[in-house]
Formats: sequence, C-alpha cells, structure tokens
Amino acid sequence: NAGVTQTPKFRVLKTGQSMTLLCAQDMNHEYMYWYRQDPGMGLRLIHYSVGEGTTAKGEVPDGYNVSRLKKQNFLLGLESAAPSQTSVYFCASSYFTEAFFGQGTRLTVV
Amino acid sequence: AQTVTQSQPEMSVQEAETVTLSCTYDTSENNYYLFWYKQPPSRQMILVIRQEAYKQQNATENRFSVNFQKAAKSFSLKISDSQLGDTAMYFCAFHQGGSEKLVFGKGMKLTVNP
Repeated sequence: NAGVTQTPKFRVLKTGQSMTLLCAQDMNHEYMYWYRQDPGMGLRLIHYSVGEGTTAKGEVPDGYNVSRLKKQNFLLGLESAAPSQTSVYFCASSYFTEAFFGQGTRLTVV
Repeated sequence: AQTVTQSQPEMSVQEAETVTLSCTYDTSENNYYLFWYKQPPSRQMILVIRQEAYKQQNATENRFSVNFQKAAKSFSLKISDSQLGDTAMYFCAFHQGGSEKLVFGKGMKLTVNP
C-alpha cells in the first residue's frame, strides 16, 4: 500500500544547480499534481497532468518543468534553482473523489 | 480561473465546542467537487470531507459536516465536539471537472485548547 511516494524527502541545493523530484503512484490514477507550500500561501499548483504524456501549467509554473512519460510517474524539474524556490513540495494523484498526497519534499536553495 | 478563498487565517476553540471554518470559491462552471483537507503537524494531507456540486444534500462525516450554498459559492466546514486531535491546518479545495485542476485555499490554522 505505497500510495504516493515522493523522492527525495529533503534536499539542499546551491543557487543555479538543477534537480528532479520524482512522484510515483500505484493507484492507476489519471490525474497528478505538483504543489508548493509556503507559509501563509497555502498549496499553490505548479503543474499538473490529466494523463500519460500530458502536462498543463498551474498557478506558479515559472522556473519548473514537468514530464509524465509513464502513467505512474510525474517528474518535477528545476533547471536552475533560485532561493525563491525554497519550499515544501507536494505531489498528489487523484480521480475526482479524493486526492492522495505524498509526504512532501523539503527543498532549500542557498 | 477558479479561486478558493479562506478569509480566516487562524482560529482557536475549546475542547468539545463547535467551530465553523469558512470557504468561498469562484467558478462559472457547474461540474465540480469541493473538499476540506486537514494537515496536522506531521505534514500529511488528510481528506476530511467532500461535496459533489450536483448534490443538494450537505455532506456529513461523523463530527464533520458542511454547509454548501451553491448559489452563494460558499462551502463551510462545521466541526462538532472538537477534539485535541483536530488541531491542524485546514484547507478548502476545488476540483474542476473538465480541466481537472485541483486548487487549494491558503488554509486556516485551527487550535483546539484543553
């Protein structure tokens, strides 16, 4: 019963470095989402996908890219990290009636 | 664009009391779902309750119930008999049918005091 698994759970990056966050779900859900959570800002949608091979922009997509090559995986990339991208990142998968979340990734960019 | 507004950033309540959390949303569509999620200090997001827009009856889950006012685009959560374990951040969320966007409000910190 893995549900939604995010890797890594913690990461410290230097400004300008790149990294990829991996989200994997085993529930055969079509929809997957990436959010960032900042104090006082709630969860803001970065990008999302409604099926394998599709992606769409959310509220705060700048500085991030995503890919959904396989239905069960949704990758979030930071090409050139900036201190403003310091945040907690959550992945979720859903099919209408409930979204299931990963445990979050705490990313610090110094 | 769909937006979700939670106007109360923080509330506190005494154990066993009833508390209501407010949420409003904005959409021009008819097909959507509304949710309340809870995030305790563990950071895990937990579904509290959901409401389908096409259902007139308000959803209820044990001590949790909603007041869904579709015309007013209001979706409040009532917690009865508050317990210490209810202390958490609560997020209102909106899932738009069609685009399948899932959008959250800014959240509200609820503290239940003994």
